[in-house]
Amino acid sequence: RKEVEQDPGPFNVPEGATVAFNCTYSNSASQSFFWYRQDCRKEPKLLMSVYSSGNEDGRFTAQLNRASQYISLLIRDSKLSDSATYLCVVKGYQLIWGAGTKLIIKP
Amino acid sequence: EAGVTQSPTHLIKTRGQQATLRCSPISGHTSVYWYQQALGLGLQFLLWYDEGEERNRGNFPPRFSGRQFPNYSSELNVNALELEDSALYLCASSLGGLRDEQYFGPGTRLTVT
Repeated sequence: RKEVEQDPGPFNVPEGATVAFNCTYSNSASQSFFWYRQDCRKEPKLLMSVYSSGNEDGRFTAQLNRASQYISLLIRDSKLSDSATYLCVVKGYQLIWGAGTKLIIKP
Repeated sequence: EAGVTQSPTHLIKTRGQQATLRCSPISGHTSVYWYQQALGLGLQFLLWYDEGEERNRGNFPPRFSGRQFPNYSSELNVNALELEDSALYLCASSLGGLRDEQYFGPGTRLTVT
């Protein structure tokens, strides 16, 4: 089992819809969690940090479920500009990056 | 506040040569990370430097090496270049300690011919 797993997608979603991604992790001692977005051929950009049960920033909500060892990212009222790859990062002893979930928002 | 900067933007080398990539972290950040991202693939962790010391390295051969300078900038060296080293090399910096958020530079695109 990989230390951090994400559904690679792609998720094809109509504009305005709500979309959710999950990211599972294997190290129960993990302390910090992050979501990044990466546009094609660009560097990853930090989207959200999750240090407790969850975090919300506008249309984006991240939730942590320690019992089931996953974090989720919810995007409401999706925009065309949300099309990107979303990367989950988990810190145990070191930072472990997921392979990413590709999201395509269609008009 | 200036972000993470990397140079050069693009680098073209031939097989067997050496490449040197440079990174300047955000002011106040002491940790620098290097990643390799081949086209269409995920991030592969290369190296982590903090306070001038190498703290961890990924599953890469010894011809990938680097260092961190007293001003916290960093250099990645790749010796004996191979065609499969062609990739985007990303540098990220963080405050270190309990704050693990990494902020990335725009990367150096290395092409080995």
